[in-house]
Amino acid sequence: DTEVTQTPKHLVMGMTNKKSLKCEQHMGHRAMYWYKQKAKKPPELMFVYSYEKLSINESVPSRFSPECPNSSLLNLHLHALQPEDSALYLCASSQVGREYEQYFGPGTRLTVT
Amino acid sequence: QQPVQSPQAVILREGEDAVINCSSSKALYSVHWYRQKHGEAPVFLMILLKGGEQKGHDKISASFNEKKQQSSLYLTASQLSYSGTYFCGTESSTDKLIFGTGTRLQVFP
Repeated sequence: DTEVTQTPKHLVMGMTNKKSLKCEQHMGHRAMYWYKQKAKKPPELMFVYSYEKLSINESVPSRFSPECPNSSLLNLHLHALQPEDSALYLCASSQVGREYEQYFGPGTRLTVT
Repeated sequence: QQPVQSPQAVILREGEDAVINCSSSKALYSVHWYRQKHGEAPVFLMILLKGGEQKGHDKISASFNEKKQQSSLYLTASQLSYSGTYFCGTESSTDKLIFGTGTRLQVFP
């Protein structure tokens, strides 16, 4: 199984809402990532988890809160977002030490109104 | 700093060749290439390590010149399935993986 799944596929939320994005993989990968991608732009790294511990936070605003409850799951909790946070949020996973070979999920298309 | 890719966009007929370049201002450990089809997730194509090696993946190959901090992706005899946006990704002493600016490739029959 080389699939990374993400739910939901689409999400519309108001600026006062709290929501969560979910990501799951069963490839035994111990590195997981969150990326933000704006239209016609490359993915921008937000967070990296290695062995379920946060290893990289690319100066992401605190309204984004990641969580890695176990080696297969990765969540991104959203609170008080701004319209400019609307984007495609991609989750990826890889083997530790092979961070260049990441498997991406299909993404969650987020719209903040 | 984000690697710069050129050209920004390429339009090809089936069977034609293309070269996509990726240039970084930093000394690099490795360069990776991904392809993202419209509405889909990026897919890993290949990695090139220091040493100026060239790698191939079907009719897609790439080279890495570490001294010039550049990599090139070569697509030969392009197929319709090659359409998409190509991103290079670079690894340096300070950055695990930064994606380049992207090159949009469209192949027409």
